Amino acid sequence: QKEVEQDPGPLSVPEGAIVSLNCTYSNSAFQYFMWYRQYSRKGPELLMYTYSSGNKEDGRFTAQVDKSSKYISLFIRDSQPSDSATYLCAMSEFNNRLAFGKGNQVVVIP
Amino acid sequence: DAGVTQSPTHLIKTRGQQVTLRCSPKSGHDTVSWYQQALGQGPQFIFQYYEEEERQRGNFPDRFSGHQFPNYSSELNVNALLLGDSALYLCASSPPGQVLYGYTFGSGTRLTVV
Repeated sequence: QKEVEQDPGPLSVPEGAIVSLNCTYSNSAFQYFMWYRQYSRKGPELLMYTYSSGNKEDGRFTAQVDKSSKYISLFIRDSQPSDSATYLCAMSEFNNRLAFGKGNQVVVIP
Repeated sequence: DAGVTQSPTHLIKTRGQQVTLRCSPKSGHDTVSWYQQALGQGPQFIFQYYEEEERQRGNFPDRFSGHQFPNYSSELNVNALLLGDSALYLCASSPPGQVLYGYTFGSGTRLTVV
């Protein structure tokens, strides 16, 4: 079983829709949870981070962590064409190593 | 302010050859991490350098080695290249005390092994 599972299926949504992404994980020692956005031919950039369980909101983005279910989510409200990118979940035990999911390619159609 | 700079951007090598990839961290950053991202996959941790020493290593063979210089720049060396080493190699730097949340990735070096 992989440490981090993220269904890599592409996602196409109309502009203004809510985008919902999620990851599951097997390592119960993970405490730090992050979402990265990666545009084509670019490196990942940090979008959101949370520590332990709970919700965090930043503008149109909401990250949720449920450690009891080993499940994290990212929601993007009022999606824009500029949100079209690959979204990667990442997590860590705070031992300096990030474990990434495979990523979801999101396309927002104008 | 220049972010993380990686060179070269693209590289084609023959199986069995050796390759060196270079990374200049963002100004003020002292920790450098390297990741391998195969096509359609998430980045995989190779190793991390701090104070010129390898602080942590992922599940990669000894063919992968690295170095950090006094100016915090870093090199990734891969010996005896295999076709499976074809990937995007990402360098990330972090400032003191913010290793996880302060990661800044470069745009990567695309390595193709033929």
